[in-house]
Amino acid sequence: LAKTTQPISMDSYEGQEVNITCSHNNIATNDYITWYQQFPSQGPRFIIQGYKTKVTNEVASLFIPADRKSSTLSLPRVSLSDTAVYYCLVGYSTLTFGKGTMLLVSP
Amino acid sequence: SAVISQKPSRDICQRGTSLTIQCQVDSQVTMMFWYRQQPGQSLTLIATANQGSEATYESGFVIDKFPISRPNLTFSTLTVSNMSPEDSSIYLCSVDREGANYGYTFGSGTRLTVV
Repeated sequence: LAKTTQPISMDSYEGQEVNITCSHNNIATNDYITWYQQFPSQGPRFIIQGYKTKVTNEVASLFIPADRKSSTLSLPRVSLSDTAVYYCLVGYSTLTFGKGTMLLVSP
Repeated sequence: SAVISQKPSRDICQRGTSLTIQCQVDSQVTMMFWYRQQPGQSLTLIATANQGSEATYESGFVIDKFPISRPNLTFSTLTVSNMSPEDSSIYLCSVDREGANYGYTFGSGTRLTVV
């Protein structure tokens, strides 16, 4: 399973765009890249998934370069409620969670 | 996506006892997964449960300690046996949303405290 590396924590302010980058140098051909968000006392929540190039949904964008060795989750105009842990996962059939990035959004 | 109900949401148990956690899904799913999240840590996969077959356990987890049942395509249980304080964690079940290409849905978890 591909190992992922992402920053332990990030700080931002309300209204700013936040970009969280994840490295996955040994990603396999069949692997998808998926991001999850987890609030305290809740299970992780699916945010976005992609295979290559760019994916956008109503909450985030995911940028994946051609070599797929990294990916960047972009959260536009964050709010206080976006304070959470964000996990980058790489895989196809089962999921291995890394340590995640603790995003703290301040007023 | 599937809706998952986990019971109990939390429990405080005496060491040496066992607790069975239930996971009910509102639609039929092929694969169900059980995770453990220790305090302040990330999630660790315990086992994968397919209906009609024995669960597949990850390294470090054994069936005697964490027996799993999967009687049908909408239900699974995880038992934490002969508990010790080190078993205090959040236990979560998850299912594939609509195939592996679309991510996974997680239950809200069971917060277990062993005293």
